[in-house]
Amino acid sequence: GENVEQHPSTLSVQEGDSAVIKCTYSDSASNYFPWYKQELGKRPQLIIDIRSNVGEKKDQRIAVTLNKTAKHFSLHITETQPEDSAVYFCAACDGSSNTGKLIFGQGTTLQVKP
Amino acid sequence: EAGVTQFPSHSVIEKGQTVTLRCDPISGHDNLYWYRRVMGKEIKFLLHFVKESKQDESGMPNNRFLAERTGGTYSTLKVQPAELEDSGVYFCASSQDRNRAFFGQGTRLTVV
Repeated sequence: GENVEQHPSTLSVQEGDSAVIKCTYSDSASNYFPWYKQELGKRPQLIIDIRSNVGEKKDQRIAVTLNKTAKHFSLHITETQPEDSAVYFCAACDGSSNTGKLIFGQGTTLQVKP
Repeated sequence: EAGVTQFPSHSVIEKGQTVTLRCDPISGHDNLYWYRRVMGKEIKFLLHFVKESKQDESGMPNNRFLAERTGGTYSTLKVQPAELEDSGVYFCASSQDRNRAFFGQGTRLTVV
């Protein structure tokens, strides 16, 4: 089955700097890769997603890149702000089952220092 | 538009007791998923409904867990009898197209 590895587990940056979180997946049939942000005590919120037929997607300060050959995808946050502090989860959608089942990475705790 | 709603937000029960968690998906979303996050680890899939039918329950830990979605609207997840290792945060998510899934705020279950 699919396996998703996420690094780093914690990341601390200074406000205004960039943050990069990386994930690898094992199943080449996976075709959809969402990123979720979970602030303390709140629900995981979908912040950006990318499908396997696209290499890069950007939405204001966040971007996601996908390398299908290497089976890895990354989240890039530019000009970080204190409100970006949260736990970020990457996920891969199990492409072989076509059920929408998500396999998550272990999460990255991002701290943005003012 | 109302989001995915889960009840209760917290539950503390003793080992051996029964707990029922409820999830109300976004209206019109046929796909409903249950996930669980245990002790700060990754969020793990439990099962998937399409309307009232179970499509995939490969992630259910054992037969102490029972999920239902009668009528294809809200869903319940019952744990009976609860064990210590069942503690964690239980998330429900719903989607229209089996891709973009929207999560509820979760139920934090503590078994003591």
